Order: sequence, then C-alpha cells, then structure tokens
Amino acid sequence: QVQLQQSGPGLVKPSQTLSLTCAISGDSVSSNTAAWNWIRQSPSRGLEWLGRTYYRSKWYNEYAVAVKSRITINPDTSKNQFSLQLNSVTPEDTAVYFCARNSHSEGRPFDYWGQGILVTVSS
Amino acid sequence: DIVMTQSPDSLAVSLGERATINCRSSQSVLYSSNNKNYLAWYQQKPGQPPKLLIYWASSRESGVPDRFSGSGSGTDFTLTISSLQAEDVAVYYCQQYYRTPYTFGQGTRLEIK
Repeated sequence: QVQLQQSGPGLVKPSQTLSLTCAISGDSVSSNTAAWNWIRQSPSRGLEWLGRTYYRSKWYNEYAVAVKSRITINPDTSKNQFSLQLNSVTPEDTAVYFCARNSHSEGRPFDYWGQGILVTVSS
Repeated sequence: DIVMTQSPDSLAVSLGERATINCRSSQSVLYSSNNKNYLAWYQQKPGQPPKLLIYWASSRESGVPDRFSGSGSGTDFTLTISSLQAEDVAVYYCQQYYRTPYTFGQGTRLEIK
C-alpha cells in the first residue's frame, strides 16, 4: 500500500520560499513507471497541477507555466521523498498543497495522495 | 492547455435516485496508441484529498462501489451514481491526464435533496 506523508510549515511570509516535503512508503521515488506530483487547491484557482519529477534512466522535471520561474521539485533518493520549493510567494499562493503519484505509462491518474497541508502566505 | 468544463456546478438528488455529472474537454483525450481515454473522476470530501473513483473514463478503481460508473469518449464524459447514498455527498472532479499540464474541472457539488 502506497502512502504519501507531507510535512512543512503552514505559514510563509510574502516574498519568502515555500518548502514542503512528501515522504513515500510502499513505492520508490526512483520508480521507472511512477511520477511524483505537486498539486494545490484554492477557492480562486480550484485544483491546479504545479509540476512533477520522475525517473526514466535519468531524472526529469516538468512544471506548470504559471509557476515555472519560481518552482523547483527535487527527488531525494536517500530518504525516498521529494520536495517542493516555491520562491517569492505572494498571498495568491495561499492554498492547500498536495503531493500525489501517477503513472502515464500505465494509464494511471493520481491514485495516491498526501494528506494536504494548508499553506498561508501572510506577514 | 486542455480546459475541462463540468456541468452542473451543483446538484441535489434524492436518496436512492440517480445522479449524473458531465465533463467536457477542450481537446480529445483519447490516446490513439491504446484507444484509451485519459480521463479520471475524483470524489472529495471536506478536509480530505481527492479520491480516485474512475480512470480511463470508465474503469472503476479498486474498492469503489459499483453504483459509480463512467462513460464517454473523446471530449464528452459522464459520471453516474446509480442510487445515491448519504455518504456520496461530496464535490466531484473530472481530470485529464492525457498530457501535461494535467487539468481539472471546476467541480460539481452533490447534495441530498
């Protein structure tokens, strides 16, 4: 059974960096079939896919255009987890942030999700 | 980007009655190499992440009750709950995973009449 456990602060000041981690159990961040995603949800934007990291003989990252200049998603193979960093945050980045697994090659959408963390951007 | 549009935005159905939610994609999500529609349905209850119900437009995820079914192809899809139960009160989302950026519908809120 795959489980994703999220951690990180719930309050970030404007212009600072939002940092979250998603610890994986029951699968590997280095899986050759899975991809590891970050998604956020807010009343104004709904569910918004932010980006993903995946391993196919080498590491790949893909990011949503709206955040591409500010986002980094990194795998950590030693801890079997992956992280999200979002720079220069504003109040518009206030949202519940989720990590989730999918596998395009196996035709699988987001089948496992983290519990979600509400991140508030406020001074 | 592929835009996903759901209808209606909210729906009230009596217990035991049928609920139908529609989803339209701005482009086809039918993958020609395997003839599968890369369209999923999720259920979300307050304080929880979305739960996968349906993938490939009509395949039920393991453990999902058989009163939930999906249909459609190309750009038009439907989620049907054949006999509404109290525990089905939730917000339902469609999502395309045909290509990135993966996109979701705006959600349909389902309530008991």
